[in-house]
Amino acid sequence: DGGITQSPKYLFRKEGQNVTLSCEQNLNHDAMYWYRQDPGQGLRLIYYSQIVNDFQKGDIAEGYSVSREKKESFPLTVTSAQKNPTAFYLCASSAGLQQPQHFGDGTRLSIL
Amino acid sequence: AQSVTQPDIHITVSEGASLELRCNYSYGATPYLFWYVQSPGQGLQLLLKYFSGDTLVQGIKGFEAEFKRSQSSFNLRKPSVHWSDAAEYFCAVGDLRDDKIIFGKGTRLHILP
Repeated sequence: DGGITQSPKYLFRKEGQNVTLSCEQNLNHDAMYWYRQDPGQGLRLIYYSQIVNDFQKGDIAEGYSVSREKKESFPLTVTSAQKNPTAFYLCASSAGLQQPQHFGDGTRLSIL
Repeated sequence: AQSVTQPDIHITVSEGASLELRCNYSYGATPYLFWYVQSPGQGLQLLLKYFSGDTLVQGIKGFEAEFKRSQSSFNLRKPSVHWSDAAEYFCAVGDLRDDKIIFGKGTRLHILP
């Protein structure tokens, strides 16, 4: 079955530490996205990528970084500069920017 | 600025009752619209989408939505809810001139037995 796999499901970060969230898709989609979800805030776009080796900042990119070296993969790094990283992170992909997005099951990040 | 509003944070309905979840948007051009559903601790699943054509759109799980340009609305409806419909529902709006889709803040649906 085609889909999006996010790992790990739960992640804990120590102060001053960078952590990387994995997102892999086998849907052959060109576009991939990272969202942050906080209670009552809906989904806020962190970064998105339309093609390999290219990505754009979303609305809340500060403290995060991404790479898109392969079409299937779009990892997100939460850096120590992100002072409030505790949230539920969702990865999505779509055939194009105006197409419906398919979502992974998310990674919940917490601070130790 | 482009925006999506879901006026109801929580809605409670009895099992078997009808449901309508509201979504209003503010966009300059012809929008394309989506409804997604999210169960706790999971990702979002697409219920239905509207790009053009018939303004009444049928989706999965017995849901439908109607695009009303004059009211800038895209409300989600279901004639008879089931306990398994308890979840959070998100309306999302995009524009062909923009790279991004904007999500509403969600409506959490509670079902009374």
